[in-house]
Amino acid sequence: NAGVTQTPKFQVLKTGQSMTLQCAQDMNHNSMYWYRQDPGMGLRLIYYSASEGTTDKGEVPNGYNVSRLNKREFSLRLESAAPSQTSVYFCASSETSPTGELFFGEGSRLTVL
Amino acid sequence: AQSVTQLGSHVSVSEGALVLLRCNYSSSVPPYLFWYVQYPNQGLQLLLKYTSAATLVKGINGFEAEFKKSETSFHLTKPSAHMSDAAEYFCAVTSGSWGKLQFGAGTQVVVTP
Repeated sequence: NAGVTQTPKFQVLKTGQSMTLQCAQDMNHNSMYWYRQDPGMGLRLIYYSASEGTTDKGEVPNGYNVSRLNKREFSLRLESAAPSQTSVYFCASSETSPTGELFFGEGSRLTVL
Repeated sequence: AQSVTQLGSHVSVSEGALVLLRCNYSSSVPPYLFWYVQYPNQGLQLLLKYTSAATLVKGINGFEAEFKKSETSFHLTKPSAHMSDAAEYFCAVTSGSWGKLQFGAGTQVVVTP
């Protein structure tokens, strides 16, 4: 079972470049999320999508945009990358429930020079 | 508002010894609490969750956690550490907003022979 698949796994960008992180889930979940993980800070929510066609800001949305392309796919775009966006990015999905387990992808490690 | 504090960013335990990871939360409404584990170069996976059904929660791999409202705590324990328990552990809380978890900073567990 694939679960949550993220691409690419690694990326190096120069300041000002743009890129899109792709995420797809095959569990028929309504809700999807993008988190970033930085040392000593745990995971912080960037954007989430309750269902197809809806997106909302999380804790740290500045510098990012998202698209919920369909029920399966949720992409994260950096329009003009900055060194502060160097991080590991995780996509996750869940049922739309307060107690729903989040299923995570393996992460995308992004370095901005 | 909700928040999570994990005491100790690094914990070293001997194989066979008790594992105790501390988590305190702050929430204005009854919380749902979670422990996730992250093995190297992987995404997070759910260990266990508290959803108000029982204060002592048992999870996978022999871990359990006890919800103590009076202490606003949700500490994670395992009676006997195994080498395979070496990982980073995250406590997380939500106050009912589905999936929008607030994660702690994480505790890295090292298991020594």
